[in-house]
Amino acid sequence: GENVEQHPSTLSVQEGDSAVIKCTYSDSASNYFPWYKQELGKGPQLIIDIRSNVGEKKDQRIAVTLNKTAKHFSLHITETQPEDSAVYFCAARKSYSGAGSYQLTFGKGTKLSVIP
Amino acid sequence: EADIYQTPRYLVIGTGKKITLECSQTMGHDKMYWYQQDPGMELHLIHYSYGVNSTEKGDLSSESTVSRIRTEHFPLTLESARPSHTSQYLCASSRGDRQNNSPLHFGNGTRLTVT
Repeated sequence: GENVEQHPSTLSVQEGDSAVIKCTYSDSASNYFPWYKQELGKGPQLIIDIRSNVGEKKDQRIAVTLNKTAKHFSLHITETQPEDSAVYFCAARKSYSGAGSYQLTFGKGTKLSVIP
Repeated sequence: EADIYQTPRYLVIGTGKKITLECSQTMGHDKMYWYQQDPGMELHLIHYSYGVNSTEKGDLSSESTVSRIRTEHFPLTLESARPSHTSQYLCASSRGDRQNNSPLHFGNGTRLTVT
């Protein structure tokens, strides 16, 4: 089945700096890659997602890049702010075709701390 | 603003008790899920449902059971709680779509402590 590795597990940055979180996946059939942000005491919330026909996607200070050949994708947060402090999860899933699981496989999470 | 609701938010209960964690969504989503989140943050899928009267076990073996009698409701039951069941339980839902590209919407979780 799919295996998603996420690095680093913890990340501290100064306010205003950029933060990058990287994920690799194992199943070349995966083609949907969402990122979730989990704030303390809340459930994860989708912040951005990318599909395999796109190499990069941006939404204000957040961007995700995908390299299907290398099977890795990354989350980039620019001009970080204290409210960006949270746990971030990457995930991968494939469309309905062929054998195997069609559920989201999550990375183990990255705890991001933005220091004011 | 949450469209998926979990109750209770916190529950402390003694060993051997039967408990039901409630999850309801108002989005009309066909698919619903239960995840167990350990203290190290990792999310483990324990149950999912593709629609009414459909339930499947997830990747992580769990002694809990689920039911899906109504589209909007997906309760999780532990017949006899044990300290090993202490965890955060997250419910989620998503639309059914042909490409399987719909995002998950999570509730805020139930933090269960079994003493």
